[in-house]
Amino acid sequence: SAVISQKPSRDICQRGTSLTIQCQVDSQVTMMFWYRQQPGQSLTLIATANQGSEATYESGFVIDKFPISRPNLTFSTLTVSNMSPEDSSIYLCSAGPSASGDTQYFGPGTRLTVL
Amino acid sequence: GQQLNQSPQSMFIQEGEDVSMNCTSSSIFNTWLWYKQEPGEGPVLLIALYKAGELTSNGRLTAQFGITRKDSFLNISASIPSDVGIYFCAGQLAGGSYIPTFGRGTSLIVHP
Repeated sequence: SAVISQKPSRDICQRGTSLTIQCQVDSQVTMMFWYRQQPGQSLTLIATANQGSEATYESGFVIDKFPISRPNLTFSTLTVSNMSPEDSSIYLCSAGPSASGDTQYFGPGTRLTVL
Repeated sequence: GQQLNQSPQSMFIQEGEDVSMNCTSSSIFNTWLWYKQEPGEGPVLLIALYKAGELTSNGRLTAQFGITRKDSFLNISASIPSDVGIYFCAGQLAGGSYIPTFGRGTSLIVHP
């Protein structure tokens, strides 16, 4: 299985600011994904981070609000821009497939609170 | 996007009891996944199922890939307090996109 780490683990931010979340995988993976999870809810896919090209965003999410980078096969960042309290959520990075299998594995998440 | 029907939404049980939860879909999946999420953590993969009819165990957990490929269940035997968490099912379609569709989760609380 792939081991995924995220930084920061949590943050409290002011309205109107931006936060960049980092995701590091311990092995090369084909695809990396960013999810949002509202309290008590399931996981909502924000975008697929493509190495060497622009991210692919799901309906309701746009690049200006959630710019994503994927500079190599083990690392990605998600920026939450111009934050509002509605952006308070858990943001999860996931990755797969890798040499160890074709399922998705998740990072521990970043808990964001916007005041 | 597409949503899986996962039930029950929540369960409150006594330690030692068996637990059963399931997911159904209107679409056929090639892979079924079961994850557990504990408070403050990301989902952790418990069991992956790749073939219709497949029955797979992981300790006290057993999951099955339904024959119709539209459903899956997860059983937990002899529950213990550390089984507490939210269990998510997820289905992956054929075609190699590897983007699973997630159920809404089953919240499990185990009373000692």
